[in-house]
Amino acid sequence: EVQLVESGGGLIQPGGSLRLSCAASGFTVSSNYMTWVRQAPGKGLEWVSDFYRDGNTYYADSVKGRFTISRDNSRNKVYLQMNSLRAEDTAVYYCARGTSFGELLRYWGQGTLVTVSS
Amino acid sequence: QTVVTQEPSFSVSPGGTVTLTCGLSSGSVSPDYYPSWYQQTPGQAPRTLIFSTNTRSSGVPDRFSGSVVGNKAALTITGAQADDEADYYCLLYLGGGTWAFGGGTKLTV
Repeated sequence: EVQLVESGGGLIQPGGSLRLSCAASGFTVSSNYMTWVRQAPGKGLEWVSDFYRDGNTYYADSVKGRFTISRDNSRNKVYLQMNSLRAEDTAVYYCARGTSFGELLRYWGQGTLVTVSS
Repeated sequence: QTVVTQEPSFSVSPGGTVTLTCGLSSGSVSPDYYPSWYQQTPGQAPRTLIFSTNTRSSGVPDRFSGSVVGNKAALTITGAQADDEADYYCLLYLGGGTWAFGGGTKLTV
């Protein structure tokens, strides 16, 4: 059974750093497209970052230079390192798995809440 | 900056048919944008309905269908049911490895 479990969210002060984890089971992260999507409270979905199975990574302009996506094949996990956090980064962060380029977000985790506030 | 556009809200009667659309602030949507559609109910993670314009994700009933109509991607729900009441989002590939969601459509049944 495919499962994605996010962790690492919490309350953090503006300017701080946080690392989110996405633990995968039922498949191998290195053979798939792994994506982070976020949703601010009461708002819509926002694509954040991708780790393609060929090793390429991509970022939304809103997080470029501050967030870094990485993959640990031995632990079968994907991470999102978030630095220089701002109030507008407050959101539920979802991890998703895609089996092909066109089906980028086939499976979703339940999300982890990040709150950036002083 | 290209913006993905969706109707903010839509209403359909039970048993009726509704078509939600997904466009671009400039330009036309084509299959090259790999349009996909997601359904989200309150407090839940999104669920994938359609990918690559018109391919239903596994387990999605065939009353959900996707297409490109004119210069927009479209999601059609035929025979709407009460539990179709949800927020619907489209996602488009903008090139250079970047993707963008539309603002979402709140569907009332």
